Amino acid sequence: SQELEQSPQSLIVQEGKNLTINCTSSKTLYGLYWYKQKYGEGLIFLMMLQKGGEEKSHEKITAKLDEKKQQSSLHITASQPSHAGIYLCGADPGNTPLVFGKGTRLSVIA
Amino acid sequence: NAGVTQTPKFRILKIGQSMTLQCAQDMNHNYMYWYRQDPGMGLKLIYYSVGAGITDKGEVPNGYNVSRSTTEDFPLRLELAAPSQTSVYFCASSSQGANTEAFFGQGTRLTVV
Repeated sequence: SQELEQSPQSLIVQEGKNLTINCTSSKTLYGLYWYKQKYGEGLIFLMMLQKGGEEKSHEKITAKLDEKKQQSSLHITASQPSHAGIYLCGADPGNTPLVFGKGTRLSVIA
Repeated sequence: NAGVTQTPKFRILKIGQSMTLQCAQDMNHNYMYWYRQDPGMGLKLIYYSVGAGITDKGEVPNGYNVSRSTTEDFPLRLELAAPSQTSVYFCASSSQGANTEAFFGQGTRLTVV
């Protein structure tokens, strides 16, 4: 079965700083999804990557899928308090529902 | 457009009690899912459905049952609640099984005491 490992598990950054979250898969990724979860709430879809080398951006968040399609990174530029939450990567195994990493808990401090 | 609606938001159960977590979506999605989220453990799939009348087990189905009599609804039944079922439960739906965004409900926080 496919497993996703996220790093770091938690992150505290000062407002205005950049940060990167990584997601490494045990198998080739055919679809990689990034979701954000605010504390005590549901998951909000951020973006989906499918092609090796693909990069997508939304506001100050950029995600990339590496060429070998086994790792994705999520980069936040000039972090703000609104970026705080849990970031989860999800993989599409192809014939079963999404499997998820354990999440990265991000705190942004003033 | 309400999306995916879960009820209740919070519930406390005593050991051995039963309950049904409700999930409804208004997007006419064929695929629906139930996940549970334990602290630091990410999301684990309990059951899923690819359409009305069709359900399948996920990674952690023991102690749960589901039904899918309509496209809109996908209730999750807990029989004989145990402390190990204390968790946050999320229902989700998608139009297809792959290459599409899954929409999540707000979650049900269940405590079994």
